[in-house]
Amino acid sequence: SYVLTQPPSVSVAPGQAASITCGGNNIRSKSVHWYQQRPGQAPVLVVYDDTDRPSGIPERFSGSNSGNTATLTISRVEAGDEADYYCQVWHSTTDHYVFGTGTRVTVL
Amino acid sequence: EVQLVESGGGLVQPGGSLRLSCAASGFTFDNYAMHWVRQAPGKGLEWVSGISWNSGSIAYADSVRGRFTISRDNAKNSLYLQMNSLRPEDTAFYYCAKHIHRLGQYYFDSWGQGALVTVSS
Repeated sequence: SYVLTQPPSVSVAPGQAASITCGGNNIRSKSVHWYQQRPGQAPVLVVYDDTDRPSGIPERFSGSNSGNTATLTISRVEAGDEADYYCQVWHSTTDHYVFGTGTRVTVL
Repeated sequence: EVQLVESGGGLVQPGGSLRLSCAASGFTFDNYAMHWVRQAPGKGLEWVSGISWNSGSIAYADSVRGRFTISRDNAKNSLYLQMNSLRPEDTAFYYCAKHIHRLGQYYFDSWGQGALVTVSS
């Protein structure tokens, strides 16, 4: 099965940038999508197809995908960005959807 | 505005059954595949099952295949998950999610608030 590995936690000061990595074998060959989940709430799509943002998502959220690592970057972090973030891909071999292990972003 | 509202969660004994429902509104339901994703308390997201717009294509995670059955009723704008032979490890919030398939991209652009299923004696 295909595995996506994320760091368990990232801490960042307000106004600084946070980078969340998502590691997977040759992940650059897949489209990577990112979800934000605030405490007690449902996930929300923040980046799709590696780099695109749904309407209503601030430009501060951006994504990239290269080699074996995809990255979600949150610029000028705000207190409201404190949440768990998950990457996700579709694994064509099994027709299954795979989520990363999740990263908790803490705003100091 | 897209709305997905799950119902049917609750406490069930190991080996028991439960049926979840998801009522959809705000979009043309029969144009989209729909999926179930679950999250055990304090844990990460796990894809459970998905169904195409016309029920012609269905997929399950290995952990639930043979025990869970996904279905939909387009006339009622509703998605279902029949869960049989439940195990304690099935305890989780179950989210209904609207699926997007475009140019090789497969992801979920809207989610319900979730229904809690607790399997315990």
